[in-house]
Amino acid sequence: DVKVTQSSRYLVKRTGEKVFLECVQDMDHENMFWYRQDPGLGLRLIYFSYDVKMKEKGDIPEGYSVSREKKERFSLILESASTNQTSMYLCASSEGTGEAYEQYFGPGTRLTVT
Amino acid sequence: QKEVEQNSGPLSVPEGAIASLNCTYSDRVSQSFFWYRQYSGKSPELIMSIYSNGDKEDGRFTAQLNKASQYVSLLIRDSQPSDSATYLCAADGGATNKLIFGTGTLLAVQP
Repeated sequence: DVKVTQSSRYLVKRTGEKVFLECVQDMDHENMFWYRQDPGLGLRLIYFSYDVKMKEKGDIPEGYSVSREKKERFSLILESASTNQTSMYLCASSEGTGEAYEQYFGPGTRLTVT
Repeated sequence: QKEVEQNSGPLSVPEGAIASLNCTYSDRVSQSFFWYRQYSGKSPELIMSIYSNGDKEDGRFTAQLNKASQYVSLLIRDSQPSDSATYLCAADGGATNKLIFGTGTLLAVQP
């Protein structure tokens, strides 16, 4: 079974803090993704990575950065947290191209910025 | 803009009935389609993948794909209250490694 883990289930941070969200997958997947999910807006892609040290912007990258130093680990960084970044953050991984687009999600981190 | 559209619901069905969830997609290049189930407060869980036209059955779930009409559906037979969740439809983004997700349909199975 694919396992994707995220560093925290719940996190409370103050406005202006730098926030790190970590994601680890154990299936040697090439691709990793960071989404945020808000009521009524669905899943929105923040960043994704298709290889170590490679990253691509998703639909809403502003205010975020990412790091992928090792294949199994993909980190999302909120440089200066703001209240509008309060959300559920979901990490996912997938094997690659062809019929291997299917993504597997971690349990999510519910971030509250006060 | 590539899109996947779903009716947000809620879709309410009685226990034991067939629940029918529908999805349309805009990009004809998409070849792979997925259904995810998401319980409230939890992360999405992959329940079905379909790549070819026609039906694919897995237990009480049947996924249906019609590429000519750009239409994907999920049938849940003998619906149970435990099936109550939001169901997300997703399509591959063509030449990218990304998936395009719909906003989900909320299913409520009434005991």
